[in-house]
Amino acid sequence: EDQVTQSPEALRLQEGESSSLNCSYTVSGLRGLFWYRQDPGKGPEFLFTLYSAGEEKEKERLKATLTKKESFLHITAPKPEDSATYLCAALPNTGGFKTIFGAGTRLFVKA
Amino acid sequence: DGGITQSPKYLFRKEGQNVTLSCEQNLNHDAMYWYRQDPGQGLRLIYYSQIVNDFQKGDIAEGYSVSREKKESFPLTVTSAQKNPTAFYLCASSQGVNQPQHFGDGTRLSIL
Repeated sequence: EDQVTQSPEALRLQEGESSSLNCSYTVSGLRGLFWYRQDPGKGPEFLFTLYSAGEEKEKERLKATLTKKESFLHITAPKPEDSATYLCAALPNTGGFKTIFGAGTRLFVKA
Repeated sequence: DGGITQSPKYLFRKEGQNVTLSCEQNLNHDAMYWYRQDPGQGLRLIYYSQIVNDFQKGDIAEGYSVSREKKESFPLTVTSAQKNPTAFYLCASSQGVNQPQHFGDGTRLSIL
């Protein structure tokens, strides 16, 4: 069964304390791996798409990486405004339309 | 600005009542989706539409119905057959199934 697992469920950091969020995926081939940011009471906002192992994407303090089994979202020197829930989603290579979403990691950055 | 608009932001349903959630996009995307989000769970797909007048059931379609009469619009009806409708509902669209999805800001549905 296709599955996406994110860890940790919640992460508390001090401002400037770098860390990584993990997304493990078990899917029938991978067409794409997506990262989104979701603020409370809002819809997810797209961050990155990764298509093949070894690929990396960066945006400000965020960097996403991909291996054959997992993806990491690295946060360098986070600020309080980076506090949000980060969602990972995998699109299996089965020719269908269904994207599998993880439950998310809630990030809290304290000043 | 292009985007997805969901309305209303909050909705209350009485027993035995059907309610309809609105979703409109001006991104000219062909594909549209409805998801349900519950605390501690990933987004679960309710319905998907790739083209006008065509849609497919997702994992949890029971108790829900949709229509796609226009490219821009994909309303979701939560029927009285859905016994546990309290959730945060998200509408999304994408240029193609391989492309990232763009989301609206959701409708929170509660039972009266």
